[in-house]
Amino acid sequence: QKEVEQDPGPLSVPEGAIVSLNCTYSNSAFQYFMWYRQYSRKGPELLMYTYSSGNKEDGRFTAQVDKSSKYISLFIRDSQPSDSATYLCAMSGGDTDKLIFGTGTRLQVFP
Amino acid sequence: EAQVTQNPRYLITVTGKKLTVTCSQNMNHEYMSWYRQDPGLGLRQIYYSMNVEVTDKGDVPEGYKVSRKEKRNFPLILESPSPNQTSLYFCASSWGQGSEKLFFGSGTQLSVL
Repeated sequence: QKEVEQDPGPLSVPEGAIVSLNCTYSNSAFQYFMWYRQYSRKGPELLMYTYSSGNKEDGRFTAQVDKSSKYISLFIRDSQPSDSATYLCAMSGGDTDKLIFGTGTRLQVFP
Repeated sequence: EAQVTQNPRYLITVTGKKLTVTCSQNMNHEYMSWYRQDPGLGLRQIYYSMNVEVTDKGDVPEGYKVSRKEKRNFPLILESPSPNQTSLYFCASSWGQGSEKLFFGSGTQLSVL
């Protein structure tokens, strides 16, 4: 079993839809949770950063962490074609201090 | 502008021909790392460096070498490339490991024939 599981997609939605992207993990020691966005032929860029449990909102993006279920989510409201990218979850914590990435979910938002 | 610069962006080579992919950052970051990204496998760490002259293996170090003689530079060396090293490579840097925001370069697409 991988430490971090992420559905690869692709996920195809119409413009304006609410998008939900998810990751599950197995290491209960993780406490730093991130979402990176990667456009085609580019390096990943940090989109959202959450420490421990709870929600964090930034514009149209909301990151949620449920440590009891070992489940994190990224919600995108009013999705735009410019949101079309691969979204990678990443997490760390405990004794390793290493950032573990999910495999990424490819999202396509069509006009 | 804060950035991580990788070169070259694209590289086609043949088996056994030594190559170096350069990486430079201008943010005075102590931590630097190399990843490879393959379909279905995601980002896998090759090597990382916590500071000058300090390097350590990641998850997939076989066939790769690195050096950290200066804080800003962290080249990736393939002494004898093989076709299974065909991949998309990313260099990244940050203030520290794990909990810190990683800044990625634009990537190097390597094909080994």
